[in-house]
Amino acid sequence: QQQVKQSPQSLIVQKGGISIINCAYENTAFDYFPWYQQFPGKGPALLIAIRPDVSEKKEGRFTISFNKSAKQFSLHIMDSQPGDSATYFCAASMAGTASKLTFGTGTRLQVTL
Amino acid sequence: NAGVTQTPKFRVLKTGQSMTLLCAQDMNHEYMYWYRQDPGMGLRLIHYSVGEGTTAKGEVPDGYNVSRLKKQNFLLGLESAAPSQTSVYFCASSPGTGRPPHYGYTFGSGTRLTVV
Repeated sequence: QQQVKQSPQSLIVQKGGISIINCAYENTAFDYFPWYQQFPGKGPALLIAIRPDVSEKKEGRFTISFNKSAKQFSLHIMDSQPGDSATYFCAASMAGTASKLTFGTGTRLQVTL
Repeated sequence: NAGVTQTPKFRVLKTGQSMTLLCAQDMNHEYMYWYRQDPGMGLRLIHYSVGEGTTAKGEVPDGYNVSRLKKQNFLLGLESAAPSQTSVYFCASSPGTGRPPHYGYTFGSGTRLTVV
């Protein structure tokens, strides 16, 4: 049972373009939605996170858009750079569950010159 | 540098052998986790701990055991390795309390395990 569905599986974007990764969740009890960035040979690192009481959060070139009614959230990377090439994971967690994260299946992003 | 340290980084096991993966964190985090990462499946929770002396099962616990005798260490054991346990294993820790960003995980760099 996959509680967090992520798409696309892979994405190729030209330098300067916008990268968009989408996630959908099923459990309405989720109340914390982080995105993690993983470079080859490294562990995932927290990139940005959002709570469902806001519809958008922006940190530099990275923006999370959140649609509570549709149970969807997405990561937008503006002005994508080759250094953004990595695997991105969305995740979800709910209060009272030891901060356990349920991860999406990941999106491999490649930013070309 | 502060963070989560995993040992070993690579290991090849024969089917039926046993091994222990060690995770150590120096951030005084309460919560610790073991995940496995497989292509196309994301990260799946194996076991977790909310404090010294406590452990609990995650999504895919079969074939694994864990122990947390000290707050800073979380051990993952494979008693009888199987080829299906070939994976990359990640340990993570979390402060365990408070609102985000306190929920944020710190991950180790992983252990790549191959069972032949």
